Amino acid sequence: GAGVSQSPRYKVAKRGQDVALRCDPISGHVSLFWYQQALGQGPEFLTYFQNEAQLDKSGLPSDRFFAERPEGSVSTLKIQRTQQEDSAVYLCASSLTGTGISYEQYFGPGTRLTVT
Amino acid sequence: QKEVEQNSGPLSVPEGAIASLNCTYSDRGSQSFFWYRQYSGKSPELIMFIYSNGDKEDGRFTAQLNKASQYVSLLIRDSQPSDSATYLCAVIGGLHGGYGQNFVFGPGTRLSVLP
Repeated sequence: GAGVSQSPRYKVAKRGQDVALRCDPISGHVSLFWYQQALGQGPEFLTYFQNEAQLDKSGLPSDRFFAERPEGSVSTLKIQRTQQEDSAVYLCASSLTGTGISYEQYFGPGTRLTVT
Repeated sequence: QKEVEQNSGPLSVPEGAIASLNCTYSDRGSQSFFWYRQYSGKSPELIMFIYSNGDKEDGRFTAQLNKASQYVSLLIRDSQPSDSATYLCAVIGGLHGGYGQNFVFGPGTRLSVLP
């Protein structure tokens, strides 16, 4: 496909369970971003990869959140011991460039996580 | 904490009118400004970006940037009911600090175009 894909689209987890969210960026895109979007809010930055390097993880809310992109393509966001406050839509975006000011990001459809 | 502010709306305009969406930002070092449209339950899609002061036009959309006033706006001419969505302003700050601090979204403005 031509766009960013994410899976699963919906995930219901019981409190305390671990979850893994997958992002498949646009082929050839260097940069990959993860965002968390609460209802009625704009996306909030979680972490950023340039190829396989995680250059910024300052937005990860706690050490229960972990992201990786081992081969510089597909990325996985893992949340351990999920809490109710983790319920949100998790968006992945990719961008062709790795540096500079032209961060034209293209978003995937998101994963809606509900923690019960 | 760098901030991006938008009026949450809803902003209601009649079909065919001009919709004006506004965004202000706190970081004077900000360099790039983006407008995204997000339909309910969907992901954001890029509409326009602007780097330089002044106007940039693309079809029915015009982005306006005034760095001195730290203000960016989006005008939608001949508004259509299909334009009804939330419009997100995103700002990339100066090339210092982490990327997370540099790419900040506003809360979005809900636009409703009435037929």
